[in-house]
Amino acid sequence: DIQMTQSPSSLSASVGDRVTITCRASQTINNYLNWYQQRPGKAPNLLIYAASSLHSGVPSRFSGSGSGTDFTLTISSLQPEDSATYYCHQSMSTPYTFGQGTKLEIK
Amino acid sequence: QLQLQESGPGLVRPSETLSLTCTVSSINNDNYYWGWIRQPPGRGLEWIGSIFSTGSTYYSPSLKGRVSISVDTSKKKFSLNLRSVTAADTALYYCARHRHDYNYDLDYWGQGTLVTVSS
Repeated sequence: DIQMTQSPSSLSASVGDRVTITCRASQTINNYLNWYQQRPGKAPNLLIYAASSLHSGVPSRFSGSGSGTDFTLTISSLQPEDSATYYCHQSMSTPYTFGQGTKLEIK
Repeated sequence: QLQLQESGPGLVRPSETLSLTCTVSSINNDNYYWGWIRQPPGRGLEWIGSIFSTGSTYYSPSLKGRVSISVDTSKKKFSLNLRSVTAADTALYYCARHRHDYNYDLDYWGQGTLVTVSS
């Protein structure tokens, strides 16, 4: 199985801050990397697919980069509604796997 | 706007079979396939398995042959059966759609249904 490791596990930042979350795969997954946002009590929402493509309707402050084994999700200017847990997900091969999540808190 | 809705018992007894159904507003399209994901309380996401409209399936090996997924396109539903459940199978269960032509990501999710395994 491909293991996905996110860092940090949690972080706290202020409105307007630039925030970066990283995800590392245990083997190369090319660009088969997706990012999701999960607000408390809600289902996950797709933010980024194919490592760097912004899903329809997602604000442009979200961006993704990387290829191979190392990936990042960046929020360019943090907003209060971005308080959530973020997950990376590899869809290169089954069993599909998720990172353990990064809980983002707004100060 | 695609809609997915999970349904099934909220309580299942240990050693019995967990059965859930996902009703989809539109299911007949070879560009998509369908998956089940679960989330134990307070924890992260775990992929359970996925099924194509043709009926081809992929399952998580971690569920050790206890899982089966089926699809009924005429009824716009796909279903999950998980046998011999234990307390470790207590989780919020989501159904979701994979996009075949977009990295196999999960672009639509149901709201989730909580299943508790307890006697």
